[in-house]
Amino acid sequence: GAVVSQHPSWVICKSGTSVKIECRSLDFQATTMFWYRQFPKQSLMLMATSNEGSKATYEQGVEKDKFLINHASLTLSTLTVTSAHPEDSSFYICSEVAAGRQETQYFGPGTRLLVL
Amino acid sequence: DQQVKQNSPSLSVQEGRISILNCDYTNSMFDYFLWYKKYPAEGPTFLISISSIKDKNEDGRFTVFLNKSAKHLSLHIVPSQPGDSAVYFCAARFLGKLIFGTGTRLQVFP
Repeated sequence: GAVVSQHPSWVICKSGTSVKIECRSLDFQATTMFWYRQFPKQSLMLMATSNEGSKATYEQGVEKDKFLINHASLTLSTLTVTSAHPEDSSFYICSEVAAGRQETQYFGPGTRLLVL
Repeated sequence: DQQVKQNSPSLSVQEGRISILNCDYTNSMFDYFLWYKKYPAEGPTFLISISSIKDKNEDGRFTVFLNKSAKHLSLHIVPSQPGDSAVYFCAARFLGKLIFGTGTRLQVFP
C-alpha cells in the first residue's frame, strides 16, 4: 500500500497557540488528501478534502478559518489548528488516494494533539 | 444520523476460529466498502475492499461479503490469530469520501 507520514506524531500546546501538522506522501504524488479527526472511543470523522493547488473543501460543521489546510505540492498537505483550545484536543489523521486504486485510501500514522 | 453502523462494540474469538465482523449502512449510493484495522494512537491500516457491484472479495485470511438488499457487509477472518486483536472499522465511500462506522474491538485469545 501507499506510504504516508505525519509530523509531529504528538504535540502538547497551550491554549491560544497554533499548531501545524504535516502530511507527506512518500511514494507517489497525491493530488487529493483527506484530513480526519478521531475523538476518544469515537469513529473517524472527515474534516476536509485537500486538493493540490486549490482550496480545500470542508465538511459541514468544520470551521475553515480555524483549521487551515494547505496543499501546495503533490506530496505535502498541512493542517494548521489556529488558536487551539482544549476542545480541539484530538487525534488528527491524514489519508491519500492511491494512484491506480482510486477506491482505496491509505492513512498516515496520525498526530495526537493535546491542548492545555 | 449514523449512515454506517457497527452494532457490536466488541468481539472475543478463540485463536484458530473464525471472526465475523458486521457492518450495516443506510445509503444505497455508496459505491465502495472498505475494512480497516486500527491500533490506539495509530492510523488505520487498509485490509480489504469491495465494490458495490460485487458480493464477495477474498484476500488471504480476509473475506468481505456484501449483501446489498440488506445493506449489510461483513468481514470474515479465518483462522483468527492473536495479532488480529485490534479495532476494526468498516467504511463506505460516497462521492470519493469515506464514512466510517464506530468500530468493533476484536480480541483473539489463545
